[in-house]
Amino acid sequence: DVKVTQSSRYLVKRTGEKVFLECVQDMDHENMFWYRQDPGLGLRLIYFSYDVKMKEKGDIPEGYSVSREKKERFSLILESASTNQTSMYLCASSFGLGREKLFFGSGTQLSVL
Amino acid sequence: GQNIDQPTEMTATEGAIVQINCTYQTSGFNGLFWYQQHAGEAPTFLSYNVLDGLEEKGRFSSFLSRSKGYSYLLLKELQMKDSASYLCAVRYILTGGGNKLTFGTGTQLKVEL
Repeated sequence: DVKVTQSSRYLVKRTGEKVFLECVQDMDHENMFWYRQDPGLGLRLIYFSYDVKMKEKGDIPEGYSVSREKKERFSLILESASTNQTSMYLCASSFGLGREKLFFGSGTQLSVL
Repeated sequence: GQNIDQPTEMTATEGAIVQINCTYQTSGFNGLFWYQQHAGEAPTFLSYNVLDGLEEKGRFSSFLSRSKGYSYLLLKELQMKDSASYLCAVRYILTGGGNKLTFGTGTQLKVEL
């Protein structure tokens, strides 16, 4: 089975801190994604990557950046955390072009105080 | 943007059948996914439709009508463990090339005795 691992299940940070969320997948997937999930808003795409060192903005990239130095690892960076970035963050991966069935990690619940 | 509509909540009885509807904009349509998400867990893939008709997979079936911009997920012989949020996600072809996956806000299904 595909495994998508997120480094932290719960994280508490202070406003202004730089935050790194790490995601690793073990199935050699080309595509990796970062979503945030908020009540009543559903899953919203922050950034995605179709290849190493490649990144594309999703629907809500403001306040975030990403890094993909290796195929299996996709990092989400909050340069200066703010309270409105308190959310559940979900990483996902998929194979290349085609059905693009997503495999999700278990999520990181980030609280910014 | 692409609007996806699905009911916020539904309640059904154990052993019964429930249908969860999803409507979407049809422009650039390129596939529809259903995911299941239990509270506190990651979404998991249930089904994929790209052509009109019914796809059956055990107790779960998914139907698509592309001309109507409409899909439903049918759950038969409901079990308590089916209590979860069900997410409809639509893939669209972008005018500039590439695809985009947009999620609905999810339908929270509660199965009661």
